[in-house]
Amino acid sequence: GAVVSQHPSRVICKSGTSVKIECRSLDFQATTMFWYRQFPKQSLMLMATSNEGSKATYEQGVEKDKFLINHASLTLSTLTVTSAHPEDSSFYICSARPSGTRNNEQFFGPGTRLTVL
Amino acid sequence: QKEVEQNSGPLSVPEGAIASLNCTYSDRGSQSFFWYRQYSGKSPELIMFIYSNGDKEDGRFTAQLNKASQYVSLLIRDSQPSDSATYLCAVPLGGFQKLVFGTGTRLLVSP
Repeated sequence: GAVVSQHPSRVICKSGTSVKIECRSLDFQATTMFWYRQFPKQSLMLMATSNEGSKATYEQGVEKDKFLINHASLTLSTLTVTSAHPEDSSFYICSARPSGTRNNEQFFGPGTRLTVL
Repeated sequence: QKEVEQNSGPLSVPEGAIASLNCTYSDRGSQSFFWYRQYSGKSPELIMFIYSNGDKEDGRFTAQLNKASQYVSLLIRDSQPSDSATYLCAVPLGGFQKLVFGTGTRLLVSP
């Protein structure tokens, strides 16, 4: 149980284009999902908290107009990197927190490696 | 003081030894604590969580929590080369229960 998928696993795009990443909880419902970014040899950085049916909460320094988050259902959240630039190249990882859990555990998707040329 | 602190390592242990990974946290109100393992180029994988003082064992892994001293540790018995990874300590923070991660400790288990 507690499987989270991400799609695509890897994407290469040209500078200026937009990229959408999907995060799905496959066998549980998740009211809350999280989006992280990880640069090589660095720690996980939380970008935003996504809540089903409401606006995402962004961490300080993360541009909400650049990183659009939609959490339209209890099993799906999407992150769209708009007008991507080479500095946005990174490993993007989502996690999902099962609805109703008391322990706050999060289960991670396998990540999406974004390369912007 | 950082909210969650870990020694970055690397921590090198021989195969079969006990690896001891430590984590300290700043918020005395924290109630639950998580250990994740992250292999290079992969996403984190939940190993175990603990919320009561004392020890919690799961196979070769033991989590130890001391709320008075604000530290949580992870012991890995009979370490295997496949245990070589970065181990992340995480503590919930804030109203949305977001997890704050330490920078991780890199463990190297040599054959």
